[in-house]
Parts: sequence; C-alpha cells; structure tokens
Amino acid sequence: LAKTTQPISMDSYEGQEVNITCSHNNIATNDYITWYQQFPSQGPRFIIQGYKTKVTNEVASLFIPADRKSSTLSLPRVSLSDTAVYYCLVGDMQNYGQNFVFGPGTRLSVLP
Amino acid sequence: DAGVIQSPRHEVTEMGQEVTLRCKPISGHDYLFWYRQTMMRGLELLIYFNNNVPIDDSGMPEDRFSAKMPNASFSTLKIQPSEPRDSAVYFCASSPRLPGADTQYFGPGTRLTVL
Repeated sequence: LAKTTQPISMDSYEGQEVNITCSHNNIATNDYITWYQQFPSQGPRFIIQGYKTKVTNEVASLFIPADRKSSTLSLPRVSLSDTAVYYCLVGDMQNYGQNFVFGPGTRLSVLP
Repeated sequence: DAGVIQSPRHEVTEMGQEVTLRCKPISGHDYLFWYRQTMMRGLELLIYFNNNVPIDDSGMPEDRFSAKMPNASFSTLKIQPSEPRDSAVYFCASSPRLPGADTQYFGPGTRLTVL
C-alpha cells in the first residue's frame, strides 16, 4: 500500500520556481519526510529531509504544514539540469523495509 | 570516500545462467540495501542488512534470488537461474542508520539484461 501520492509529471521553464506536493495522509508520529532526485542512468540522490515546518538547504526547501499530511518540495529557479524524477518518501525509523516505499515519483521536465 | 561501488555496471547473460552482482558500501555505514528498478514496477526494495545481518527480505521476488553480506565491506546479490523478466537496473545503497533519520547513498547501479 503506497504511503505517498505525488503528481506523475510536471513541466516548467528555466528560471521558474517549481513546487512539487506530496500527500501522505497516514503519516505516523515517527515518520520523517525525505525527497530524492534521480537522473537517467543514475541512482537516486538525497535532496532534503524534514519532520515539520520548513527546512532549507543549498538545493531546495521543504515545507511541511502543522498536520504533516502533505509536504511541498520547492526548487528555486530551476535549470535544464534539474530535469529528473523526484521521489517523496515517508519513513518510519523503527520499521524500514516494505513500509518505506519509493513510489513512481514526479517526472519534472525543465524546458528552455 | 568513493561512495557506494557496484560491479559490474552492465551484465548481459542468457536465460538460465547464474548472475552475481556485487556491492561495496561506504565505510562505516551499518545499513545496506538492494533495490531493483524497472519501468513497470519502479524502484523496489529487495532486501536490507543491518551490521551484515539480513533484516527484511520480504521484497525478494522468489527463491531464485539470494543476497549475502559476509562482511561490512561487501555484499552480493545472486540470481540463479536467471530469467528474462529479471532484466532491470539493480541498485545497492548504504546508510549510517535507518533512512527515516538519515539518508541513503546509492551506487551507480548494475544494468542486467537476460536474453
């Protein structure tokens, strides 16, 4: 049973801000929210992780509302090289395995 | 650190042959994961180890698949006998702790083609 729902694909143009929202209605108290990025022919790469409120690093920001039932990955001023698949994962620290699922992800296409 | 190392990067074999995929995790990481990725099924967790001990192998598709971790710096995923439907990219990843609290570092993957 998938724990997250995110759009299958999105298109954007260079220089725009992109927001990808992930729904996780059944998130548990111990769950963290983690986003990965995958380029073709490469393994997924960690982008950002958070538990609540807002987290920002040099690559992206992650917004988590108080109820934690959704989260939004924000990529500022995207470039062509940000074209990739983005995965939202909700992780139970005590029980990994089949509870920690990579869904189909969101395929982001950045156009010139 | 060189990151997670996988070999071979590409493997082409014929149906019925034994295939062995290899992984060297990042030094000091206690967790090692094997994933399989296909267009149809996406990225699936096959098995993961903690301190060389298999913890959850419920994702291993069938008895033809086996995984071992004889020491902290080496793991293998073996398919015997291989079938065309096993064709996929197999990723190994390692983590210093469970990914809920930390991140996984993925290797470059092994692209397996079974003819």
